[in-house]
Amino acid sequence: GQQLNQSPQSMFIQEGEDVSMNCTSSSIFNTWLWYKQDPGEGPVLLIALYKAGELTSNGRLTAQFGITRKDSFLNISASIPSDVGIYFCAGGFNYQLIWGAGTKLIIKP
Amino acid sequence: DGGITQSPKYLFRKEGQNVTLSCEQNLNHDAMYWYRQDPGQGLRLIYYSQIVNDFQKGDIAEGYSVSREKKESFPLTVTSAQKNPTAFYLCASSMPGQGDYEQYFGPGTRLTVT
Repeated sequence: GQQLNQSPQSMFIQEGEDVSMNCTSSSIFNTWLWYKQDPGEGPVLLIALYKAGELTSNGRLTAQFGITRKDSFLNISASIPSDVGIYFCAGGFNYQLIWGAGTKLIIKP
Repeated sequence: DGGITQSPKYLFRKEGQNVTLSCEQNLNHDAMYWYRQDPGQGLRLIYYSQIVNDFQKGDIAEGYSVSREKKESFPLTVTSAQKNPTAFYLCASSMPGQGDYEQYFGPGTRLTVT
C-alpha cells in the first residue's frame, strides 16, 4: 500500500530557531496536508496544499507541495514554546488520507 | 459553536466486552471517519462514511463495526474480536468539495481494555 516517510522522527531545538520537516513517498498525491497534535488531543489542520509547486503560509508556518507531487515540507520560523507537539503530514488520494508517522518537536529549556 | 464531540474521553473495559465510542458533529459535514492511533505511529483508518446509511472499510476494519443512521452521528463499536483494542481512537469529518481531504478531528477517546 501507499506509505509516507516523514522525517525527522524527532527534533530538539532552541526557542527562536527555525524548524524544517518533510514527507516523501513513492506515490503521487492530489493533496498534502499538515496537522499538529498536542498530547491527548485530536490533530489540528495547519495547512492544506492542492497544487504541485504550491507554497502556502499560515503565520510562522510555511509548507510546499513538491513539484513531483511525491513530497512536501513544512517550515516553522522562530519557534516558540507552544510549537511543541507532534506534526503529521498526510497525503490525499482517492478520497482518503495516508498519514506519516509524525515529527515530534521538543524545545530545549 | 460548531465542532466534533467524542465521548467519553477515557474508557475502560474488560476483555471480551463490546464497547461503543460516540462521535457527533454539528458541522453539516457529509463524510465521517474513524482512525486508530498507537504510540509513535500515524493514524490508521478503520471505517469511513461519505453519506448516511453507507460506509466503507478502511485499512484495519477487522474487529470493528460502525453505523451511520444520521448525518451527525457515526458511532464505532469495538468488538471482542478485536485482538488488541487498547488505543487512542479519533473521529473526523470533512466537508463536500476539496476532495473530502480537509478532515477535522474530535478530541479522541482513549480506550483501555484489560
